[in-house]
Amino acid sequence: EVQLVESGGGLVQPGRSLKLSCAASGFTFSNYYMAWVRQAPKKGLEWVATISTSGSRTYYPDSVKGRFTISRDNAKSSLYLQMNSLKSEDTATYYCARHSWDYWGQGVMVTVSS
Amino acid sequence: DVVMTQTPPSLSVAIGQSVSISCKSSQSLVYSDGKTYLHWLLQSPGRSPKRLIYQVSNLGSGVPDRFSGTGSQKDFTLKISRVEAEDLGVYYCAQTTHFPPTFGGGTKLELK
Repeated sequence: EVQLVESGGGLVQPGRSLKLSCAASGFTFSNYYMAWVRQAPKKGLEWVATISTSGSRTYYPDSVKGRFTISRDNAKSSLYLQMNSLKSEDTATYYCARHSWDYWGQGVMVTVSS
Repeated sequence: DVVMTQTPPSLSVAIGQSVSISCKSSQSLVYSDGKTYLHWLLQSPGRSPKRLIYQVSNLGSGVPDRFSGTGSQKDFTLKISRVEAEDLGVYYCAQTTHFPPTFGGGTKLELK
């Protein structure tokens, strides 16, 4: 059974950093592009980052480029999202997902507030 | 970026009714390999999104056949025949043909 389990969310002050993790199981992690998608409270889905199978290529929207870094450890079947210089508008539930959108984690809440 | 426009934004339906949701993209979603990477997701209340349909018309694993997807190029439709209570939630269309991947604004399906 495919499982994606996020961790690392919480309350953080504006300008600070936070790192999310996603533990994958039930499939060959290294064979798939992976992504982070977020959802602000009562809002729709927003793509945040994608990483290639080897980790050599990463993609971001302008809203997080230069502040967020996606990475992966294929040996540990784990995906990460390092979030720096956080802003109030980054407050959202963050989902780890396969880039084909066929599997999603349960989500982790990130609240940026003083 | 490819803009995905879903209509209507909300639908009120009785159990057993059939409904359709439209999704229009600002560019053709046909990829260079000839496939169209247009998907439909359902987010039930308090849950993560779940992919119902991939590449326009292919049902995801375990998805009942009362769901169907049609369309081509820039114009797509999700149809739900005989709505059941478990179908309520927000439906999103999504494209992964072009970078960045984008989502429609969502259609909320509620009980009448």
